[in-house]
Amino acid sequence: NAGVTQTPKFQVLKTGQSMTLQCAQDMNHNSMYWYRQDPGMGLRLIYYSASEGTTDKGEVPNGYNVSRLNKREFSLRLESAAPSQTSVYFCASSENGLNTEAFFGQGTRLTVV
Amino acid sequence: QKEVEQNSGPLSVPEGAIASLNCTYSDRVSQSFFWYRQYSGKSPELIMSIYSNGDKEDGRFTAQLNKASQYVSLLIRDSQPSDSATYLCAVLMDSSYKLIFGSGTRLLVRP
Repeated sequence: NAGVTQTPKFQVLKTGQSMTLQCAQDMNHNSMYWYRQDPGMGLRLIYYSASEGTTDKGEVPNGYNVSRLNKREFSLRLESAAPSQTSVYFCASSENGLNTEAFFGQGTRLTVV
Repeated sequence: QKEVEQNSGPLSVPEGAIASLNCTYSDRVSQSFFWYRQYSGKSPELIMSIYSNGDKEDGRFTAQLNKASQYVSLLIRDSQPSDSATYLCAVLMDSSYKLIFGSGTRLLVRP
């Protein structure tokens, strides 16, 4: 039972470098989400995808891009990393509908120096 | 104004007491509401979901929803030290499936 799998778990980047965070779910969910979590800030939505082939901006999309590669996979790309993007990133997925639970990956701890 | 607001706490209660956590939201068309628990360094996990006005009980947990006041709460009865965690309120924006979280309330249960 893999659920939601994120890679990598840890990453250190230099300012200006690019990288892609990968997320895959095996629950056949329609919706997938990317959040960042900073101390005392809860989860802030970066981008989400309500179905394969669609993506929408969340609360804090600047500096990020996403790709819904297929129903299983939703990647988050940092084109030019900045220290302000140091955070813990969570991917989540859920079925569409009322009262449906979102399942989370284990998180990626990203440090930009 | 944030779409989902919570008091950051910490809320400190003695073991065995009732802990009351509150959340307000701004979007009147929101339909589904969730409470997640997050231990330090871990991923959030679902405790309760509610989408009808009134109370919903599950063991020691009760979720309360008042759509007219745009208010949702979580009561934890007989609080245990293992309940010490951050509690995140989440709101699902209907039709768009946009899931927004509050900043979380840290709960400390004193033995």
